[in-house]
Amino acid sequence: SSELTQDPAVSVALGQTVSIKCQGDSLRSYYANWYQQKPGQAPRLVIYSTNKRPSGIPDRFSGSSSGNTASLTISGAQAEDEADYYCNSRDSTKSHPDWLFGGGTKLTVL
Amino acid sequence: QVQLQESGPGLVKPSETLSLTCNVSGGSINSGNYYWSWIRQHPGKGLEWLGYIHYSGSTYYNPSLKSRLTVSVDTSKNHFSLKLSSVTAADTAIYYCARDDFYYFDFWGRGILVTVSS
Repeated sequence: SSELTQDPAVSVALGQTVSIKCQGDSLRSYYANWYQQKPGQAPRLVIYSTNKRPSGIPDRFSGSSSGNTASLTISGAQAEDEADYYCNSRDSTKSHPDWLFGGGTKLTVL
Repeated sequence: QVQLQESGPGLVKPSETLSLTCNVSGGSINSGNYYWSWIRQHPGKGLEWLGYIHYSGSTYYNPSLKSRLTVSVDTSKNHFSLKLSSVTAADTAIYYCARDDFYYFDFWGRGILVTVSS
């Protein structure tokens, strides 16, 4: 089966821009989604279908994709953005596409 | 706004069956073309999709768990359920239920920690 790979940890200075990447062959066939998870909370969808924001998600969150890599960008990171971020996509290697999650990236806002 | 809430025992003995229910409120489980998924997270680890069910009753499971997992739906109670048999310590995790749009998970429950221990 396929997999999605994320850097384990990324840091950003307060107010600066940071991109979190997700790599996987399935991303050539399926859209990427991104979830934010703060300690003790359930994941929350912040980007879906590569670059769409659900209602209530600040516009500093954006998404993009190229080839086998999807990116979540936070422009002007805030202290409340410190969290784990998971990418997610369908598994294109299966006849019936399973769900895949990346291993998660811990974002620290300095 | 759709809300999901997991319920069930927080402690299960090894070799027994883990049973959880996800109650859906704010919307009918059989409206729209949604799937209803179970996802778990081992302590301090990442997310693992377990399986989903459509209100019609069609299911699909993670192949790694397929032999032990059963997901069912009760539209009259607006809830769906998970049964995981022959559990071991490796099944200790936070279990989440989520609405599955087929393209993304848009609503999640708060999660329930299930510990497998004698």
